[in-house]
Amino acid sequence: GDSVTQMQGQVTLSEDDFLFINCTYSTTWYPTLFWYVQYPGEGPQLLLKVTTANNKGISRGFEATYDKRTTSFHLQKASVQESDSAVYYCVLGDDTNAYKVIFGKGTHLHVLP
Amino acid sequence: EAAVTQSPRNKVAVTGGKVTLSCNQTNNHNNMYWYRQDTGHGLRLIHYSYGAGSTEKGDIPDGYKASRPSQENFSLILELATPSQTSVYFCASGDVGIEQFFGPGTRLTVL
Repeated sequence: GDSVTQMQGQVTLSEDDFLFINCTYSTTWYPTLFWYVQYPGEGPQLLLKVTTANNKGISRGFEATYDKRTTSFHLQKASVQESDSAVYYCVLGDDTNAYKVIFGKGTHLHVLP
Repeated sequence: EAAVTQSPRNKVAVTGGKVTLSCNQTNNHNNMYWYRQDTGHGLRLIHYSYGAGSTEKGDIPDGYKASRPSQENFSLILELATPSQTSVYFCASGDVGIEQFFGPGTRLTVL
């Protein structure tokens, strides 16, 4: 069946470190790809959106690039800050079907000051 | 500003009791969703709705009902609550192809 995989459950970095969160997927349809971020005590919120047409999404210093060959869209940031500590979800959506929304299990990022 | 609100924010219920979680959105979105969030599982879809009067089963609907009496309101109902339904519940609204907007969540504990 359709699936999205985030292998890293938890990542601990120091401020100014480089962030890379891996996300791969398998679907029988062409998804729209999202990264959501969830801060403590809040609901998830959209961080960025990547379409297979433009292959890239950028927001708030974060970047995700779609790789068709490996069906992946990893999240990167050059220099993390303590305020980036949160849970990051890669998410698949279908532009033609509101029901098709698949969340990854999330990666908990902890940035040390 | 568009918003999704949930009530109550915290709820303690007894096993076998009835629980109703409420959600209101001012986004004027057609679609609304109920998720639960558990450690190790991320977010899982319970029910969703395409508009007033419609409810559809998501991936884990057993033990839950939903009600969409209006464009703005979407409720999740646990007729006979069980301890396994202890979780954090999120409501969201959205339209096809765009992001979902989430509420702040309801923490439910079933004793």
